[in-house]
Amino acid sequence: SQTIHQWPATLVQPVGSPLSLECTVEGTSNPNLYWYRQAAGRGLQLLFYSVGIGQISSEVPQNLSASRPQDRQFILSSKKLLLSDSGFYLCAAFPNEQFFGPGTRLTVL
Amino acid sequence: SQQGEEDPQALSIQEGENATMNCSYKTSINNLQWYRQNSGRGLVHLILIRSNEREKHSGRLRVTLDTSKKSSSLLITASRAADTASYFCATVSPGTSYGKLTFGQGTILTVHP
Repeated sequence: SQTIHQWPATLVQPVGSPLSLECTVEGTSNPNLYWYRQAAGRGLQLLFYSVGIGQISSEVPQNLSASRPQDRQFILSSKKLLLSDSGFYLCAAFPNEQFFGPGTRLTVL
Repeated sequence: SQQGEEDPQALSIQEGENATMNCSYKTSINNLQWYRQNSGRGLVHLILIRSNEREKHSGRLRVTLDTSKKSSSLLITASRAADTASYFCATVSPGTSYGKLTFGQGTILTVHP
C-alpha cells in the first residue's frame, strides 16, 4: 500500500529564514507528486506538481520552490520566508486517486 | 480560484442522522472526488465518481453526480461522532493528464453523540 511521509510535522520559523520541507513516497513507482497549501483549515491550493525526476511545474507565482531529486522524494523550499508563507503544507501522490501525507504546519513569525 | 464550491459551509447534526453535503463546479470534468480531513491531518480519499456515472456507493457513503447541473452530493447515512471532519470535493478536468485536482472550500461536519 502507498504511504506518504512528511517532515517535520510542525515548524516555527522567523521571517527571512530558509525553509526545507520533505516528502517521501512508498509503495508506488514514478508517481505524480504535488505540494498543496491549505490556509485556515479550508480549501487546498496547488503549489507545484511533478511528473518525474527534475520536472517541476509551478501553479502560482510565489516565494517558494520545489525540487524532485529522486523518484519518490519531493522537497519544498524557500530562501527567505514571508509571513504569508504560514499554513498547512500537504504532499500528495497520484497514480489514481491522490494520496496525501500527514502535512506540515508552518508558522512564520 | 477554486473550482468546487461546497455547501453548506458547516453542518451540525445528531448521531444517527443523515448528512448531505453538496458541491458545485464550473467547468467540464473527467471525474469528481470526495475527500475527508480530520482536524490538522492529511486528506483521505473517500470516493471517485466519473463523469459518465450518476451514482456511486461505498459503505455508508452515497455520491451522486449531475453533470447537467455541474453538481454533486455526498450523503453519509446513519452518521457517527467519528464522522466529524471536513469534507472536500475535488474535480479533475479534461486535458489534465497529470491529475491536477481543484478543491472546493469544504464543509465542516460536526456529529454530536
